[in-house]
Amino acid sequence: QVQLQQSGPGLVKPSQTLSLTCAISGDSVSSNTAAWNWIRQSPSRGLEWLGRTFYRSKWYNDYAVSVKSRITFNADTSKNQFSLQLNSVTPDDAAVYYCARDLGGFLLSWGQGILVTVSS
Amino acid sequence: QPVLTQSPSASAPLGASVKLTCTLSSGHSTYAITWHQQRPEKGPQYLMKVNSDGSHSKGDGIPDRFSGSSSGAERYVSISRLQSEDEADYYCQTWDARGIGVFGGGTKLTVL
Repeated sequence: QVQLQQSGPGLVKPSQTLSLTCAISGDSVSSNTAAWNWIRQSPSRGLEWLGRTFYRSKWYNDYAVSVKSRITFNADTSKNQFSLQLNSVTPDDAAVYYCARDLGGFLLSWGQGILVTVSS
Repeated sequence: QPVLTQSPSASAPLGASVKLTCTLSSGHSTYAITWHQQRPEKGPQYLMKVNSDGSHSKGDGIPDRFSGSSSGAERYVSISRLQSEDEADYYCQTWDARGIGVFGGGTKLTVL
């Protein structure tokens, strides 16, 4: 069974970079069938898909338009994990952030979520 | 890009049945969607995928009380013999043609 374990700071200062990591067990980040998603949830935005990274002979990324200019994904095959970096955060970026595994268009497995607060 | 519309709330008595709706925007009526359940203070959990023809495939361990169906641009999740543990938020989700994810606003189900 695939499990996703998230880690990262729960507090980020405005204008700084939010960095979160999702460690995978039970699958490989370089799987040719899975994709690795980031999703956030806030009272104002509900569930918001941020993007995904996946490997199909090379690495691909899809990004939500709302964050495309500020977001970066990375995959670390040696640690079997993937990460998100969101630059220039504002209070509007405060949310619970989830990672999720997508297999053939199904978001089958979700991480436990991390509450991120943006405050000085 | 498809838009998914859900009623904000629904309620039904314990032991009864309920049907939640997710409506696809115009031009996207053939899209499949997935349903996710989010219990209070928990993360979302995959329930099932529902195709435009009404066929559906549930996640591991999802009880038989849950089923999916379709009619036109509407996708449904039906829950029979409601239990208190079914009280949760239910979200639908799909992908646009470019592989961009889209969520509905969610329906809060209250079991009376």
